[in-house]
Amino acid sequence: DQQVKQNSPSLSVQEGRISILNCDYTNSMFDYFLWYKKYPAEGPTFLISISSIKDKNEDGRFTVFLNKSAKHLSLHIVPSQPGDSAVYFCAASGYSGYALNFGKGTSLLVTP
Amino acid sequence: DTGVSQNPRHKITKRGQNVTFRCDPISEHNRLYWYRQTLGQGPEFLTYFQNEAQLEKSRLLSDRFSAERPKGSFSTLEIQRTEQGDSAMYLCASSSLAGEETQYFGPGTRLLVL
Repeated sequence: DQQVKQNSPSLSVQEGRISILNCDYTNSMFDYFLWYKKYPAEGPTFLISISSIKDKNEDGRFTVFLNKSAKHLSLHIVPSQPGDSAVYFCAASGYSGYALNFGKGTSLLVTP
Repeated sequence: DTGVSQNPRHKITKRGQNVTFRCDPISEHNRLYWYRQTLGQGPEFLTYFQNEAQLEKSRLLSDRFSAERPKGSFSTLEIQRTEQGDSAMYLCASSSLAGEETQYFGPGTRLLVL
């Protein structure tokens, strides 16, 4: 049973435009959410996180929005750059320091 | 480089052989995790250590799998009598007890069982 879902396997965006990656979850006990970026043959690299007590967290070009009532979060990348092309994973955990539940990932392609 | 390191990066073995992977976490991190990732899937949790204590094991961790963290520093993951279905990327991550919840991943060990 997939508790974290990324329903878009791929996304293509032009350089300079906004990339919006979406993630839905089913477990209301999740209280910490993270986004990771992954290049082929490498481990996931942490991008940004958000606690359930917030609805927005921003770090440079990356902003994560959390809508708890809809059990939905999104990652906005503005402006998108070709180097952002990678697979992006959404992950969630039930409490601090425990197993992360990952989505299947969204492959982002940023074209020049 | 003070990130998470994993060795070997690649391993090819024949079915039925035993393999062992090593993970060295970020030095001040108390928590260590193992995940497995197969093609087209996100990483799946296998097991978790806090210092030397193994506190949780996923049902994915069959009795052919064993993980240790004997001194609360590096960890090893052993797979006995490997099967072709064990072919995957094995990822290690670590995090700190001191309020930092983010898990930082190593580069992974890619296992191919022939």
